[in-house]
Amino acid sequence: DGGITQSPKYLFRKEGQNVTLSCEQNLNHDAMYWYRQDPGQGLRLIYYSQIVNDFQKGDIAEGYSVSREKKESFPLTVTSAQKNPTAFYLCASRGLRTGLIDEQFFGPGTRLTVL
Amino acid sequence: KNEVEQSPQNLTAQEGEFITINCSYSVGISALHWLQQHPGGGIVSLFMLSSGKKKHGRLIATINIQEKHSSLHITASHPRDSAVYICAVANFGNEKLTFGTGTRLTIIP
Repeated sequence: DGGITQSPKYLFRKEGQNVTLSCEQNLNHDAMYWYRQDPGQGLRLIYYSQIVNDFQKGDIAEGYSVSREKKESFPLTVTSAQKNPTAFYLCASRGLRTGLIDEQFFGPGTRLTVL
Repeated sequence: KNEVEQSPQNLTAQEGEFITINCSYSVGISALHWLQQHPGGGIVSLFMLSSGKKKHGRLIATINIQEKHSSLHITASHPRDSAVYICAVANFGNEKLTFGTGTRLTIIP
C-alpha cells in the first residue's frame, strides 16, 4: 500500500542528545514536509523539500536539520540546540503536478519526549 | 501570512446530532483543507476544496471565497466521529499550509 511511514512512534531521549526521526514515503511525491505540533497550537512548519538535495527552512527551523538524499526519504534531526524539543512531529508529502493543487498526505507521527 | 481561526475550539454533542465546524481565514487562498486527527495522532485528509461544496458520506465541506469562510458539516454524528478537526489553507503561489488550532469534537452515545 502507498503511504508515509514514520518511526518510531514514541521516542525518548536525554537532554543534550541529538535524535533523528525517520520519514519514508512510497507515493512518488516530490515534496516532503516536517511539522511540529504542540498542545493548543496549530501545526507549524519546520522544514520542507520540493526536490532531492534541496530543502527550505520553515517557520521554526532553529535547532533542527534535515537532508533529502533520496526522493522517498526526508529524515529530521532534532539537535541539542532545540530549546524545547518535546513535541509531536508529523511528516507529510505532496505531489507537485504542474497546474494542479495536490493535497498533502500525513504520516502517523512521532512523539518525542526529552527527559 | 494568513491567519486561520476555527470555531468552536471544543464541541460535545449527542449521537445523531448535526455538527458544524467553522473556519475563517484572512488572506486569499488557492485551496482549503479539512483534516481529521484521531487520538493516536495520525492525520487524515478529508477534503481539499477551492470553491463550492464537496460531500463524502456523512461529511460535507463548503467554502465561500468572498467571505473567506469554510464549514465542515457532519450529519447523523456517531461516536467514531470523535476527533480533532483541523482547517488548513494554502496561499496563492505558496507551497506551504497555514493551520488552524483545531476543533475537538466529542460525540456521546
